Amino acid sequence: NAGVTQTPKFQVLKTGQSMTLQCAQDMNHEYMSWYRQDPGMGLRLIHYSVGAGITDQGEVPNGYNVSRSTTEDFPLRLLSAAPSQTSVYFCASSAFNPILGTEAFFGQGTRLTVV
Amino acid sequence: GENVEQHPSTLSVQEGDSAVIKCTYSDSASNYFPWYKQELGKGPQLIIDIRSNVGEKKDQRIAVTLNKTAKHFSLHITETQPEDSAVYFCAASKTSGSRLTFGEGTQLTVNP
Repeated sequence: NAGVTQTPKFQVLKTGQSMTLQCAQDMNHEYMSWYRQDPGMGLRLIHYSVGAGITDQGEVPNGYNVSRSTTEDFPLRLLSAAPSQTSVYFCASSAFNPILGTEAFFGQGTRLTVV
Repeated sequence: GENVEQHPSTLSVQEGDSAVIKCTYSDSASNYFPWYKQELGKGPQLIIDIRSNVGEKKDQRIAVTLNKTAKHFSLHITETQPEDSAVYFCAASKTSGSRLTFGEGTQLTVNP
């Protein structure tokens, strides 16, 4: 089972460049999200989606855009990369249950460096 | 919004000893508390979770306790092994896996 697949695994960008981090899941999960992980700060939510066509902002959305045209894919776009966006990015998916918690499955991460 | 604090940030134990990691949360509406293990170069992986209608849950060497009144929950690992060495994250959520708020992480090192 593929689970959650992120590409690329590593990326170096110059300040001001744009790029898209790809995320795909094959578990038919409604809920998908993007987190960034920085040393000593845990994982912080950037954007999330509860289904195709529906997205919302998380804790640190500035400088990032998302869209959800299909259940499977949830790309994250950096509009104009800044050194402060140097981080490890994780995509996650989970089945949506309005009452009970469900397991979130994470991808392997994308390590992004902005120079 | 929710705020989750995790302690300690680093923990070193001898193989066979127990390890305890503690988290506190701020939003009394949170009802789902998962724990994740992250090995070097990999994404976090769920190891155990607990919901607010349960006070304790155990899975082999791993247990989690929840005190809703005090708004804190803890991870207990018994008979630690070197392969338990990793970063552990606690998290809290109001519903399903949505909007997880993570603690800062604990680097656990188990010395042979």
